[in-house]
Amino acid sequence: KNEVEQSPQNLTAQEGEFITINCSYSVGISALHWLQQHPGGGIVSLFMLSSGKKKHGRLIATINIQEKHSSLHITASHPRDSAVYICAVAGGADGLTFGKGTHLIIQP
Amino acid sequence: DAGVIQSPRHEVTEMGQEVTLRCKPISGHDYLFWYRQTMMRGLELLIYFNNNVPIDDSGMPEDRFSAKMPNASFSTLKIQPSEPRDSAVYFCASTTRTGGPQPQHFGDGTRLSIL
Repeated sequence: KNEVEQSPQNLTAQEGEFITINCSYSVGISALHWLQQHPGGGIVSLFMLSSGKKKHGRLIATINIQEKHSSLHITASHPRDSAVYICAVAGGADGLTFGKGTHLIIQP
Repeated sequence: DAGVIQSPRHEVTEMGQEVTLRCKPISGHDYLFWYRQTMMRGLELLIYFNNNVPIDDSGMPEDRFSAKMPNASFSTLKIQPSEPRDSAVYFCASTTRTGGPQPQHFGDGTRLSIL
């Protein structure tokens, strides 16, 4: 079974700061997902990666398959980015295995 | 385009009662997943279906839990009898692998409280 570790667990930053959230996993995967969950809210898929780097607006996700590591970056962070960010991995046709999430608070 | 639809949004019931959670996947999606989220354990896969057939139910906690997918547009997760430790948010998600792996689309979840 894949073990998914995220760091940090909690992160508080000031508006405008560059944010990095890390994710590592133990077993080879077919894809890695970054998800966002607002308090009391649903889950939204931000990225799905199997290699390289993807960018969407102020969000950037990278993955290093050899090192079994991925990072999610937020540039020019804003209070509306405050949420839980969850890393999840997929192996073959399986459902997702999730990290515990990173609780991000961006203060004005 | 409608997303994944779950019902009810909230359910409060007493221990021992039967609970049925419902999910309508996105039209055309051939994979459907049931997940559970708790404070202690985070998000966990319970079961998933491909083309209405259960593929992996190893995450189902015990025999009190059952899931069905009678057709491509509907799935249920049933708990009978329910216990307080079943209190959690239950998410349904769907996807397709046509053209390669695709992101999963999640419903808004059902917040279940067993008293």
